[in-house]
This record gives sequence, structure tokens and C-alpha cells, in this order.
Amino acid sequence: QVQLQESGPGLVKPSETLSLTCTVSGGSISSYYWSWIRQPAGKGLEWIGRIYTSGSTNYNPSLKSRVTMSVDTSKNQFSLKLSSVTAADTAVYYCARDGYYGSGRYVPHDAFDIWGQGTMVTVSS
Amino acid sequence: SYELTQPPSVSVSPGQTARITCSGDALPKQYAYWYQQKPGQAPVLVIYKDSERPSGIPERFSGSSSGTTVTLTISGVQAEDEADYYCQSADSSGTYKVFGGGTKLTVL
Repeated sequence: QVQLQESGPGLVKPSETLSLTCTVSGGSISSYYWSWIRQPAGKGLEWIGRIYTSGSTNYNPSLKSRVTMSVDTSKNQFSLKLSSVTAADTAVYYCARDGYYGSGRYVPHDAFDIWGQGTMVTVSS
Repeated sequence: SYELTQPPSVSVSPGQTARITCSGDALPKQYAYWYQQKPGQAPVLVIYKDSERPSGIPERFSGSSSGTTVTLTISGVQAEDEADYYCQSADSSGTYKVFGGGTKLTVL
């Protein structure tokens, strides 16, 4: 079955760029939307944005000026860059596949059916 | 920016029914989805398209929708249902996804 695994530095300095990669295993990255979602400790989930395997993106308007997502289909990976980070960006970052199985078919958008285990990123000097 | 509003907490005794609401202006136009998150784990989808249950999710989980409010109902709550629950939907354009603030379900 499809599995996702986030990777990247666990500590980033303020004002620098956070960079994470999500590796898709057990299936193809093609023809799906892939999202990044984060969760500060003890708080709720925040959708950061998504990328389609063509490279088309949608970003949360509140983060749009600082977010860049990319995809590498040859490596079955997609990535997140968040620039000019502050302590407020400290969170567990999840990658997820957009879609769900319903009524006997797969719908490749709207919900998040497969999640990575999450990776903790701390912004601190 | 678009927001979904959930109560911070709901408490019920084992065997009772728990109801968790989620309100948002675009909910009459956009479906809602519900996730269960236990400590240290990634969220799991428990309801899609307001009221449908994915394969493998117990029948005690159900969803409903009325106007600008959707409701997750857990009938015959069990101790293992203690978790945080999040609703998720999209803005009126359908492009930008949003989560509710989450509701902590405590089983007394």
C-alpha cells in the first residue's frame, strides 16, 4: 500500500528557509494532488498547500508569499520550502495524499486519505 | 479567511452518544470531512462527503449536515474513541482547504 515519509532538518534558524521532502512508496506519485499540512504542538491542523504531479500548485493564502512546492516524479518525491521562518512556524509537518475511496471508486481530491507520520521542525537559533 | 468552528471539547460516558459540531458559511456548498487523531499519530479519515463512512471505520461513526453546520455523531462511545476530531472542508471556490480548530473527545 502507498506510504509517505517526510524528511528534512529538524532544526531551522529564524529567517532561514525550511525545506522538507516527502517520499512516496508503494505506488506512483503521478495523477494525484499532494498536500502539506502542519500542526503546532497542542494546536490544530493547518493546510499549507498542495501540488499536482504536473507541477500546478495551490497555497494557503495566509502562507502564500513564503511557500514553494515542487515535485520530482522520477524520484516519487514532492517538496516544501517555507522561507523567512519564525518561531510561529515550529510544528509537526505532515505530507498527505489528496483523495479518498468512496462508493466503490477513488476520488482524487477534497479529503486526505494517506498521511505521513509527520516530522517535527523547530525554529530556533 | 474562511474558518470552520468546532467546540473545544466534548465529554461523554461510555455507551452514550457523542455529537461534535462544525460550522462554516461555505458548508452548504462544500462537503465536510472528519478526521480522528490520537496522540502522537497522524489523523485518520472517518467520514467523507458529510455522511459517508470509509471502509474499515466502525458503524458507530456517522455524519450529518444541516445548513451551515455539520455534525459528527459517535453512537455507543467506547474508550478507544477518546481522541481529537477535526472537520475539514474548502472555501466556496473549492480550492483552498481548511480545518476546524479540533474537538477533544473525552470518554469519562
